[in-house]
Amino acid sequence: GESVGLHLPTLSVQEGDNSIINCAYSNSASDYFIWYKQESGKGPQFIIDIRSNMDKRQGQRVTVLLNKTVKHLSLQIAATQPGDSAVYFCAENRPGGYQKVTFGIGTKLQVIP
Amino acid sequence: NAGVTQTPKFRVLKTGQSMTLLCAQDMNHEYMYWYRQDPGMGLRLIHYSVGEGTTAKGEVPDGYNVSRLKKQNFLLGLESAAPSQTSVYFCASSTGQGARGNSPLHFGNGTRLTVT
Repeated sequence: GESVGLHLPTLSVQEGDNSIINCAYSNSASDYFIWYKQESGKGPQFIIDIRSNMDKRQGQRVTVLLNKTVKHLSLQIAATQPGDSAVYFCAENRPGGYQKVTFGIGTKLQVIP
Repeated sequence: NAGVTQTPKFRVLKTGQSMTLLCAQDMNHEYMYWYRQDPGMGLRLIHYSVGEGTTAKGEVPDGYNVSRLKKQNFLLGLESAAPSQTSVYFCASSTGQGARGNSPLHFGNGTRLTVT
């Protein structure tokens, strides 16, 4: 919702351009990563995931890149559309179970028509 | 297939009042979770459940209780609400193969709670 937009880094892109959203994760032992999209007033929605034995995974219009050396994750959105406007955040899963998930605070993507 | 449904959507409580947030999922997921979301912070886990009849504490459990009497339902209770519990609460669920957390969470649309 709007309350989680406060103090968030914001990325503004023109409609049709490609967007790149970055995320630094904290634990080198993390082995599973997920990107979520959260629209105003709604819950987070799964976009794409990647396991630590991969460095790239593609979906429909989205690509996730994983650089374990520098603990960096990025989400690329091709041909950004107004419907892509939302807060995007990454999550890292550490070994040891379901409760070992850490969420980032997110990046607000604004698409300029 | 409704996914994860939370009720109510909004609630205002006075300090000291109690309430229960309801979560229902129709995906036959084993694992269910309650998170809170506050400005400038990532989602924080309150309590979670790995199956019917089980519950466990997460990162910020104080002031909350939960119950999982049926596989499809996960209830979050506030016994004596405090202003610090003003937040947006999200319920989520995941499949059984998420034992190592290697499956995405499916979230509801949240309950916005204000405690005055």
